Amino acid sequence: NAGVMQNPRHLVRRRGQEARLRCSPMKGHSHVYWYRQLPEEGLKFMVYLQKENIIDESGMPKERFSAEFPKEGPSILRIQQVVRGDSAAYFCASSPPSGTQNTGELFFGEGSRLTVL
Amino acid sequence: AQTVTQSQPEMSVQEAETVTLSCTYDTSESNYYLFWYKQPPSRQMILVIRQEAYKQQNATENRFSVNFQKAAKSFSLKISDSQLGDTAMYFCAFGNEKLTFGTGTRLTIIP
Repeated sequence: NAGVMQNPRHLVRRRGQEARLRCSPMKGHSHVYWYRQLPEEGLKFMVYLQKENIIDESGMPKERFSAEFPKEGPSILRIQQVVRGDSAAYFCASSPPSGTQNTGELFFGEGSRLTVL
Repeated sequence: AQTVTQSQPEMSVQEAETVTLSCTYDTSESNYYLFWYKQPPSRQMILVIRQEAYKQQNATENRFSVNFQKAAKSFSLKISDSQLGDTAMYFCAFGNEKLTFGTGTRLTIIP
């Protein structure tokens, strides 16, 4: 059973360009979460999605950031017009549907490291 | 607001010794889970141990155990017989579906 898959693992962008980070959840998982980790800091929640729905985006910056989890395909975190302060590791996590399968645990991908030059 | 405090930014201990990492949190929720995650230099987030808030019995996973004090909102991690491979950042987290993380404790095991 493949784990949470994120790509790219490393992404370099110049200021003003767009960054797209992709996440495929574990098989059978319907909940996807995006977290950001700045250097030497903990993980900060950004957004929680289910298929075709944004459940909680309270951690998303108001501008330039968006996320989607379409009916088919991976979840996408999109950052438009990147700035140096966007440089960070972006982690995706998934969990199974609410109910007996869900133990509260999040299963993390290996992260995508964005560097903005 | 939900917050997690890890008051020890860095710790080090000799191999084979026991070490305890502290964690306190604040929430108005009554039903949630608590976790310790490990992040080695590879930066992969690895679950170490989990605890359901409604259970009084402290969770144990091999060399890892927790001291969960719900009234005090405290959730410390004890690592027994520490090994070199335990060297990593350790993050305390809690929540229900959406997790809130602490700032981490950098643990170094000294040979």
